[in-house]
Amino acid sequence: QVQLVQSGAEVKKPGASVKVSCKTSGYTFTSYGISWVRQAPGQGLEWMGRIRVYSGDTNYAQKFQGRVTMTTDTSTTTAYMELRRLRSDDTAVYYCSRDATGFDNWGQGSLVIVSS
Amino acid sequence: ENVLTQSPGTLSVSPGEEATLSCRASQSVSNNYLAWYQQKPGQAPRLLMYGASSRATGIPDRFSGSGSGTDFTLTISRLEPEDFAVYYCHQYGSSQDTFGQGTKVEIK
Repeated sequence: QVQLVQSGAEVKKPGASVKVSCKTSGYTFTSYGISWVRQAPGQGLEWMGRIRVYSGDTNYAQKFQGRVTMTTDTSTTTAYMELRRLRSDDTAVYYCSRDATGFDNWGQGSLVIVSS
Repeated sequence: ENVLTQSPGTLSVSPGEEATLSCRASQSVSNNYLAWYQQKPGQAPRLLMYGASSRATGIPDRFSGSGSGTDFTLTISRLEPEDFAVYYCHQYGSSQDTFGQGTKVEIK
């Protein structure tokens, strides 16, 4: 079955960077994109961007342009999302999702806390 | 950016009744690339509908989606106890995906 398993919780200081991983299995990794979505505490869902695994092409939400990088490692079928220059309002659960017609499978989420 | 506005913010419904959720886009959604998700506390979202009206794998037929252009609806007929959750719409028809702010369906 399709699975996306994310890395664990992280606590970071303002100004630092975080890199979240998303290990996939159960499907052909290069046939789908991966999107990243975050959710601040008690808030709604926010799309951060996507990577088309086959080509490596990325498309980032304008809000995160210049601060986020999405990559994949096809040898390990793992996707990564790095967010730089963290601020307190980046505290959120970060999800990876398989990008099909809609986001049809999701990781369990990775909590990132930004605090001094 | 295509802003999605969901209404109502909270919907109070009794089990067995029908719930109708609205999602309005500020611009026409290309190819009706509109999805709906259900999210329960502490869980990742779950895809319910895609392409405005196609049910995702394993979704019961009491969930249905309709609409086109800028106005979309998710209908849940005969609400079951497990259907009380937050629902989000999501448009993926442009280069910048967006989500609605969510509708909470609570037990009346």
